[in-house]
Amino acid sequence: EAGVAQSPRYKIIEKRQSVAFWCNPISGHATLYWYQQILGQGPKLLIQFQNNGVVDDSQLPKDRFSAERLKGVDSTLKIQPAKLEDSAVYLCASSLDRGEGRAFFGQGTRLTVV
Amino acid sequence: AQKVTQAQTEISVVEKEDVTLDCVYETRDTTYYLFWYKQPPSGELVFLIRRNSFDEQNEISGRYSWNFQKSTSSFNFTITASQVVDSAVYFCALMDNNDMRFGAGTRLTVKP
Repeated sequence: EAGVAQSPRYKIIEKRQSVAFWCNPISGHATLYWYQQILGQGPKLLIQFQNNGVVDDSQLPKDRFSAERLKGVDSTLKIQPAKLEDSAVYLCASSLDRGEGRAFFGQGTRLTVV
Repeated sequence: AQKVTQAQTEISVVEKEDVTLDCVYETRDTTYYLFWYKQPPSGELVFLIRRNSFDEQNEISGRYSWNFQKSTSSFNFTITASQVVDSAVYFCALMDNNDMRFGAGTRLTVKP
């Protein structure tokens, strides 16, 4: 079974530039999550999708972050404009359904903002 | 407020030692799930276990065991006879109301 795919693995940008991350969840998984993991900390949920609808984006800095999950499959997370404090690993995860609990994670995209 | 505390930031042991990683949680819900994930240097979070709030049975899986105690709101993880390959960051997580929160993690280093 293929896992959660993310790209790119690494990205370096200058502050105020924009960047986008892509995630392809496990086939058939209805729930998709984007987490931000700052070095030395646990993952923090940014946004949760159920199929192509947003169910929780309470911790997403909406002035600069946006995410979409068209057709309820792949998802993209965008940052525009980036700030230095956005440097982190962005993890995508998927699970069969909300409340199912067991989430499968991708390897993440390490973003460095300089 | 939902919260997960992993008080041990880093632990270092010598191979074959037993080690316990602590996790204390807070939630107002009576129905919730607890998890442990392992994050090796590759970065991917690997699921280890899920426990629901109504099942306080301890669980053993090979060298891994978990002790869930609702009375102290703890869900501790023990690795018996640790190996170098166990070196990783371990995260405890709590899910209630479909909202999952992670602790800050414990970095375990197992030296040969």
